[in-house]
Amino acid sequence: DAKTTQPPSMDCAEGRAANLPCNHSTISGNEYVYWYRQIHSQGPQYIIHGLKNNETNEMASLIITEDRKSSTLILPHATLRDTAVYYCIVRVYNQGGKLIFGQGTELSVKP
Amino acid sequence: GAVVSQHPSWVICKSGTSVKIECRSLDFQATTMFWYRQFPKQSLMLMATSNEGSKATYEQGVEKDKFLINHASLTLSTLTVTSAHPEDSSFYICSARPGRDSNEQFFGPGTRLTVL
Repeated sequence: DAKTTQPPSMDCAEGRAANLPCNHSTISGNEYVYWYRQIHSQGPQYIIHGLKNNETNEMASLIITEDRKSSTLILPHATLRDTAVYYCIVRVYNQGGKLIFGQGTELSVKP
Repeated sequence: GAVVSQHPSWVICKSGTSVKIECRSLDFQATTMFWYRQFPKQSLMLMATSNEGSKATYEQGVEKDKFLINHASLTLSTLTVTSAHPEDSSFYICSARPGRDSNEQFFGPGTRLTVL
């Protein structure tokens, strides 16, 4: 699975959009981009995934560049409860099931 | 949504004893479960993949004789830390995949192990 690079930490003001970047320059054509988050001392929570088209659900939006070498997770109106570590993972869809976690981005939403 | 539970949520044990952690899929059958370990301020590290009815597959560097995994049913996998030592103190998290062709994976809340 391709490796991802994320900034170690970010701050965001409550109510503003949080934009979390992820670089995956070695992504293969059949690899999807997944985002999970982990609130302190809890298990990871699935957020969203995509292949090449932008995706949106009730939690977030995922913007993938045309060359697929990077993506951005957008939390449109961040709240204090969105403070967590966000992990960007790339892996082949429907194969093996392994999720290999990188270091992630620690997002702090501040009042 | 699918729910995965872990028991206990935290445990303290003496050095040299063994500790068993349970991972259950509450409302779905999980042919595959995964075990992760997480040290403070670090990311999750995959320890092993557990398939129902077969032996677990361990990641490189994980001692299979120390971390015994049993996946005897479609809703239960157990991780036993044998002869635990203080360096085994960690946050252990399981996840479950419903069906071999499923792309989804649901995580448990984690178990905090402290070895004195």
